[in-house]
Amino acid sequence: GIQVEQSPPDLILQEGANSTLRCNFSDSVNNLQWFHQNPWGQLINLFYIPSGTKQNGRLSATTVATERYSLLYISSSQTTDSGVYFCAVPDAGNMLTFGGGTRLMVKP
Amino acid sequence: EPEVTQTPSHQVTQMGQEVILRCVPISNHLYFYWYRQILGQKVEFLVSFYNNEISEKSEIFDDQFSVERPDGSNFTLKIRSTKLEDSAMYFCASIWETQYFGPGTRLLVL
Repeated sequence: GIQVEQSPPDLILQEGANSTLRCNFSDSVNNLQWFHQNPWGQLINLFYIPSGTKQNGRLSATTVATERYSLLYISSSQTTDSGVYFCAVPDAGNMLTFGGGTRLMVKP
Repeated sequence: EPEVTQTPSHQVTQMGQEVILRCVPISNHLYFYWYRQILGQKVEFLVSFYNNEISEKSEIFDDQFSVERPDGSNFTLKIRSTKLEDSAMYFCASIWETQYFGPGTRLLVL
């Protein structure tokens, strides 16, 4: 099956800093999703981004499908951005394969 | 905005007991999924369900697990005889272009 790797595994930021999270995948995909898992464990959809760039407030994502990676940018980070960020891509049958996540802590 | 709902939010059970986790997918979605996340680990696919039958399942989804759509709206995951290693967060998801995840059921097996 498809392999998904995320980096860095852990990230500590000071409030107000910017960051870039990376997701690499081993095979061609027709979509990619980014999620934020909040401290209560809920998976929040951030982006559905098979290719190109999307922006939502302080967050934006870019997927370069031909090079098999996606980036999630967080600008002017806030303490509420803390949590784990997952990317996920569909395998055969549309079930999602998740990366290992990036654990982000934003300090005040 | 429509959302996937799951009940209960938390469940504590004794090893060997049966548990049923419930999900109500978004109404016009056709594909449904269960995923599991052991504490501190990544989310793993368990099973997908389409047209009232299992379409794909992972190695994790052994004979102790079953899924049903008993009444056209609810979608259930049953674990027949729980083991300690079944302790995890269980997510239900349904798909319409993108997968929408429910809030999860945190299962603790003692």
